Amino acid sequence: GENVEQHPSTLSVQEGDSAVIKCTYSDSASNYFPWYKQELGKGPQLIIDIRSNVGEKKDQRIAVTLNKTAKHFSLHITETQPEDSAVYFCAATYTGNQFYFGTGTSLTVIP
Amino acid sequence: GAGVSQTPSNKVTEKGKYVELRCDPISGHTALYWYRQSLGQGPEFLIYFQGTGAADDSGLPNDRFFAVRPEGSVSTLKIQRTERGDSAVYLCASSLRGGDSYEQYFGPGTRLTVT
Repeated sequence: GENVEQHPSTLSVQEGDSAVIKCTYSDSASNYFPWYKQELGKGPQLIIDIRSNVGEKKDQRIAVTLNKTAKHFSLHITETQPEDSAVYFCAATYTGNQFYFGTGTSLTVIP
Repeated sequence: GAGVSQTPSNKVTEKGKYVELRCDPISGHTALYWYRQSLGQGPEFLIYFQGTGAADDSGLPNDRFFAVRPEGSVSTLKIQRTERGDSAVYLCASSLRGGDSYEQYFGPGTRLTVT
């Protein structure tokens, strides 16, 4: 089955700086890669996703890049704000049935 | 509109007891997923329903775990003879599966504690 690894496990940045979280996957058949933000006591919330036929996608301060050859994808958050502080998860799937999640990155934005 | 809801939000049970966890998906979403999330970990896939049928139950850890979705909407995750290792947050997600649409929307989860 698919194996998704996520780094770093914790990340602290100053407000206004950028944050980058990286994930690698093992199954070259995976074709959909979502990113989720999870706040304490809540379920994961989809913030951006990318499909394997696209190399980059951007939504305001958030962007995701995908390198299919290297089998890795990254989340980029620019101009970070304190409300961006949360745990972020990457995931991968090739059927839409089973989603394989990374172990999470705890992001802290320091005001 | 209403999101995915899960009840109860918290459940404490004794080892060996039976529990049921309920998920109400977003109206019209044909796909429903159950995940288990342990502390400090990402969600772990348990089972996926498309309509009323379990299209993929390969993530269920053993035969103590069972899930149903009899009318293609509400789903119940059932755990028999609970063990302390079953303690986790159980998450439900729904999706409007159509074509290549895979977007999942998660509920707030049920925190299960087995004492």
